[in-house]
Amino acid sequence: AQKVTQAQTEISVVEKEDVTLDCVYETRDTTYYLFWYKQPPSGELVFLIRRNSFDEQNEISGRYSWNFQKSTSSFNFTITASQVVDSAVYFCALTVFSGGYNKLIFGAGTRLAVHP
Amino acid sequence: GAGVSQSPRYKVAKRGQDVALRCDPISGHVSLFWYQQALGQGPEFLTYFQNEAQLDKSGLPSDRFFAERPEGSVSTLKIQRTQQEDSAVYLCASSLKVWGAGYGYTFGSGTRLTVV
Repeated sequence: AQKVTQAQTEISVVEKEDVTLDCVYETRDTTYYLFWYKQPPSGELVFLIRRNSFDEQNEISGRYSWNFQKSTSSFNFTITASQVVDSAVYFCALTVFSGGYNKLIFGAGTRLAVHP
Repeated sequence: GAGVSQSPRYKVAKRGQDVALRCDPISGHVSLFWYQQALGQGPEFLTYFQNEAQLDKSGLPSDRFFAERPEGSVSTLKIQRTQQEDSAVYLCASSLKVWGAGYGYTFGSGTRLTVV
């Protein structure tokens, strides 16, 4: 089966705390991409990062960092010094190769609440 | 356009009514996807178009759901005889190429359908 599991349904932190959102995936494809999206209350999906299966380098972008480990099939997302504006639902997604094209499958999401 | 545009933003339908949801993808994008996002869940794949051809409709939940993209640009998702379980946000995404993952997927803001 190909799926994405985000075991944390909701996380609540106080501003300036660090927080890690977990993502575990299963795939039978040898080449695939992993994504993280942010969904604020307004509803649109905001792209955060894309990582292909051949690139296990961790990435840092400002307060955001991502840890990709193929050995454990995980692609975790850490927010350092969280802010109230980080409050949103975060989705991890995986491409699935199907009939000549790639489609995205999503995890159930983690709702992050950052309190002042 | 600069982004993926969806209309209407909100739709309230009486049970049994037919509805049509519109997606205007980024100009020149070959791939177009429809997703259904129930409350508190991650987006679920519905259907995929490559230009005007509907190559995958495996995610459509019933034969009441129908999608088209007749000229390879604007797409319409139609739901006939709406039921309460159809209440969800319907998201449209487009990608430049067939092999979309490397180019990313751009999502619209969605149409929130409420069936009463």
